[in-house]
Amino acid sequence: GEDVEQSLFLSVREGDSSVINCTYTDSSSTYLYWYKQEPGAGLQLLTYIFSNMDMKQDQRLTVLLNKKDKHLSLRIADTQTGDSAIYFCAEAKPNSGYALNFGKGTSLLVTP
Amino acid sequence: AAGVIQSPRHLIKEKRETATLKCYPIPRHDTVYWYQQGPGQDPQFLISFYEKMQSDKGSIPDRFSAQQFSDYHSELNMSSLELGDSALYFCASSGGDSRANEQFFGPGTRLTVL
Repeated sequence: GEDVEQSLFLSVREGDSSVINCTYTDSSSTYLYWYKQEPGAGLQLLTYIFSNMDMKQDQRLTVLLNKKDKHLSLRIADTQTGDSAIYFCAEAKPNSGYALNFGKGTSLLVTP
Repeated sequence: AAGVIQSPRHLIKEKRETATLKCYPIPRHDTVYWYQQGPGQDPQFLISFYEKMQSDKGSIPDRFSAQQFSDYHSELNMSSLELGDSALYFCASSGGDSRANEQFFGPGTRLTVL
């Protein structure tokens, strides 16, 4: 979506941490999401954060939200080759029925 | 756990033909969303339904229509197909025991228009 921006590519070595960044423009966005898409597959919900939170941690995943700068990041600790995929940032609002507005996606490549 | 089911998984049509895509949400989910993902693109929201009523509308062309049935499954009807309609069509569902803002996606239907 035009209101959600992400860098297109990221390459990391196996075992390192990956940080995928996203910026959004709609300050009324209530929920911000990270979805993972492997080649030819569907979209897997990884995690999401409510807009009144700063951080959410879920196992190897850490989401940071800077509401002032409208910046969202996803950190993947101990990145594995199986984490290679496209990661989509998305926003949603309850007054639009939580319809997701996606960024263009960041292609993460994990090398051995 | 049961997931969202979409059928068919692959569909090949000629220009100007019609196509019907089906979506079976996760049991007890009452909300269905349709998204279109062109090659190398991000998914674009088309339309959604809550309790069999249209909930929200996105960039769905007038040639497309959709509905949600009494058993909560949904169908996306596409007429006068164009080459540009070739894409992955995803259905997602929410509701039931999950939070309203959590959408779970099906595997998608890959539509190719020749």
